[in-house]
Amino acid sequence: AQTVTQSQPEMSVQEAETVTLSCTYDTSESNYYLFWYKQPPSRQMILVIRQEAYKQQNATENRFSVNFQKAAKSFSLKISDSQLGDTAMYFCAFIGNQGGKLIFGQGTELSVKP
Amino acid sequence: NAGVTQTPKFQVLKTGQSMTLQCAQDMNHEYMSWYRQDPGMGLRLIHYSVGAGITDQGEVPNGYNVSRSTTEDFPLRLLSAAPSQTSVYFCASRGTGGHNQPQHFGDGTRLSIL
Repeated sequence: AQTVTQSQPEMSVQEAETVTLSCTYDTSESNYYLFWYKQPPSRQMILVIRQEAYKQQNATENRFSVNFQKAAKSFSLKISDSQLGDTAMYFCAFIGNQGGKLIFGQGTELSVKP
Repeated sequence: NAGVTQTPKFQVLKTGQSMTLQCAQDMNHEYMSWYRQDPGMGLRLIHYSVGAGITDQGEVPNGYNVSRSTTEDFPLRLLSAAPSQTSVYFCASRGTGGHNQPQHFGDGTRLSIL
């Protein structure tokens, strides 16, 4: 069974600095998709970034980028120039190509401090 | 464009009561799913559906029933509520363009069982 692990329950960062959130996963599939979702205090679930496993190039969306290490089964999220609005819970998620189940990690609560 | 609509937003039940959480989407998405969110555990998949008339169990299906009579609607039923079902519930949907399509989430239902 696929699993997703986020080992950092809480993190904090100063405004304008860079922070990296960790995520590891376990799967026997060779092709799959990985996502980072953001959940601000409003409780909305917002897609931040996604990565296809067959693509070697790391995905980037403005200040958000990932470090995808397929062999190590690692998928970290880097937030550059952190802003107060980045304060949220961040979830890493996995979906295999053989099934429709999106599996989430436990979440990392990020606080951006002024 | 309503997206995914969940009702109610809040509900308090007594142990043993039954209720149905409603979920509707207007994007003609085939895939729909229900998650529960508990502190420190991320989002866990309860049930999912790959199309009208087809449902399957997720990670934590016990105590919950679903049906999918139309593409638009995917209600979640609690037949006999238990305090362990106190949680925030999210409904999500995604299109059929591939597993890399992002999930669209509703705003969640906060359910308390006394």
